[in-house]
Amino acid sequence: QVQLQESGPGLVKPSETLSVTCTVSGDSIRSTNYYWAWIRQPPGKGLEWIGSIFYSGTTYYNPSLKSRVTISIDTSKKHFSLRLSSVTASDTAVYYCARESITTPGNPVDYWGQGSLLTVSS
Amino acid sequence: QSVLTQPPSASGTPGQRVSISCSGSNSNIGSSPVNWYQHLPGTAPKLLIYDTTQRPSGVPDRFSGSKSGTSASLAISGLQSDDEADYYCSVWDESLNGPVFGGGTKLTVL
Repeated sequence: QVQLQESGPGLVKPSETLSVTCTVSGDSIRSTNYYWAWIRQPPGKGLEWIGSIFYSGTTYYNPSLKSRVTISIDTSKKHFSLRLSSVTASDTAVYYCARESITTPGNPVDYWGQGSLLTVSS
Repeated sequence: QSVLTQPPSASGTPGQRVSISCSGSNSNIGSSPVNWYQHLPGTAPKLLIYDTTQRPSGVPDRFSGSKSGTSASLAISGLQSDDEADYYCSVWDESLNGPVFGGGTKLTVL
């Protein structure tokens, strides 16, 4: 059973960089069948895809966030990470890490973490 | 403003059948399989339907998905109290190389 667990600081100051890490267990982060993704949900709003990374380091980012986002992966430590720079209050959200199945039609996100609430406030 | 449009709320009584719609365009729903997620606040979202009509192992057959043109639907039959959750439709966007989501529908079991 795949498990994903986010870890983040909880509170970030405006203009600073938000960092969250996702640890993957129960599956190989090196699998060629999956991308590893970050998805967020602002309070009271819907889900927004931030970006995804392949085990090789290939990344895809949401164009609306691309200038501020960096996603990296460390397969030896079985984790991948999100950095979002120059944050504002609108970046306050629950940040989910997730697994995208790229060998299944429709590329469903088949496993999600519990989510990490990150609040931007001074 | 979400790329995919869902009604913000839906409701039904136990045992009833309810349907949740998801409206898109030729560039998303019209050309790609649709996925549905169930989300109880405070928990991890759960994949409910993938490839428009397929259920992952463990998802009851009370849940079914369909699509016609640029609209998709999730149907829940034999409604139960623990079906009360938020439901999201999603499609893979080829131009983004990532998923886009609907705004979500909050299902209330009366």
